[in-house]
Amino acid sequence: DAKTTQPPSMDCAEGRAANLPCNHSTISGNEYVYWYRQIHSQGPQYIIHGLKNNETNEMASLIITEDRKSSTLILPHATLRDTAVYYCIVRVEDSSYKLIFGSGTRLLVRP
Amino acid sequence: DTGVSQDPRHKITKRGQNVTFRCDPISEHNRLYWYRQTLGQGPEFLTYFQNEAQLEKSRLLSDRFSAERPKGSFSTLEIQRTEQGDSAMYLCASSFTSGRANEQFFGPGTRLTVL
Repeated sequence: DAKTTQPPSMDCAEGRAANLPCNHSTISGNEYVYWYRQIHSQGPQYIIHGLKNNETNEMASLIITEDRKSSTLILPHATLRDTAVYYCIVRVEDSSYKLIFGSGTRLLVRP
Repeated sequence: DTGVSQDPRHKITKRGQNVTFRCDPISEHNRLYWYRQTLGQGPEFLTYFQNEAQLEKSRLLSDRFSAERPKGSFSTLEIQRTEQGDSAMYLCASSFTSGRANEQFFGPGTRLTVL
């Protein structure tokens, strides 16, 4: 079972920041938080990951609370092409590194 | 294009028929994963390979399913005696054993429809 909880849907205006929350209250100390997204009719795409510290890359920023029980993915200037389902995943800490997806958040970016 | 490719992209078959899907991973990746995704749900892990060895199979992978990666390069997923419940998107992903976050790169998927 997925170890994360996300809102089923969100929307934001084009050009504004999109803040996608995720709860992972049972996360273990050595488990990473990953974010992937899936644009319609495509395979999932890696966005970002983190352990404890906040992370930023060319796509997004990841803010992880100090207790690590929740996180927020931030798309600083959302575009119409960011419309997708966003998955927050706590990576299973075994040798497989398999990903356990939940149902994700469907983000709609409005023009 | 150097990404993960899957073939075919779409497959329609009749119940009871066998189907086979192919996945070509990114060439230097030693890990290959298969996932299944039904409508409105996130992908579900099925199995993975490290090189040619199949190291884990999900309980979702019934005995009608078999996967191979004969030379540690491309992989095939075969479903025998298909059932309507097998209708789904079958996704393949590849990665390094280590490296940047063990990031998995996904292919576009094969959409299976069983009539």
